[in-house]
Amino acid sequence: DVKVTQSSRYLVKRTGEKVFLECVQDMDHENMFWYRQDPGLGLRLIYFSYDVKMKEKGDIPEGYSVSREKKERFSLILESASTNQTSMYLCASSTLGLTEAFFGQGTRLTVV
Amino acid sequence: DQQVKQNSPSLSVQEGRISILNCDYTNSMFDYFLWYKKYPAEGPTFLISISSIKDKNEDGRFTVFLNKSAKHLSLHIVPSQPGDSAVYFCAASQGYQKVTFGTGTKLQVIP
Repeated sequence: DVKVTQSSRYLVKRTGEKVFLECVQDMDHENMFWYRQDPGLGLRLIYFSYDVKMKEKGDIPEGYSVSREKKERFSLILESASTNQTSMYLCASSTLGLTEAFFGQGTRLTVV
Repeated sequence: DQQVKQNSPSLSVQEGRISILNCDYTNSMFDYFLWYKKYPAEGPTFLISISSIKDKNEDGRFTVFLNKSAKHLSLHIVPSQPGDSAVYFCAASQGYQKVTFGTGTKLQVIP
């Protein structure tokens, strides 16, 4: 059974903290993505990666960075968390040449 | 600028009837379209897709229709079941990689 696993289901962090969200996939997929989901806004792409050590900005990269040191792992970093980054964060992966993606269960991040 | 729009935030349908979820897009370069289903506290799961070279794709109870001239696609679920109650996201891509999602439609199927 294919799996995309996000390290935490729920996180509460303080304003200004550096936050790491981790995502691991076991399908040997080349592509990995980070989205955030907000009411009325749907899923918005933050960053994506086609290969190890490669990254591309999505639609809303401000305030975020990413790291992909290994093929199976894609990390999202909030350099200095702010309250407007309170959201549901979703990691996804897909194989080269296919658009259909597999999603993790999501991390509900609250910044106080 | 919302390139993929789902104008109905919610929809209620009786069990056994047809559910029709609609989606409009503005980018004529999109060439692949997908629908995802999302239950609360879970990630979205892929449901069905269609290439821009087709106008219909069917998978069991689910059919997606694409009208390129109107830049419109729809998802039909027949017959609707209570387990279909979820949020449905329309998505579109140009090429294989970057996918743009709509805002979602919450479907409630009433037993």
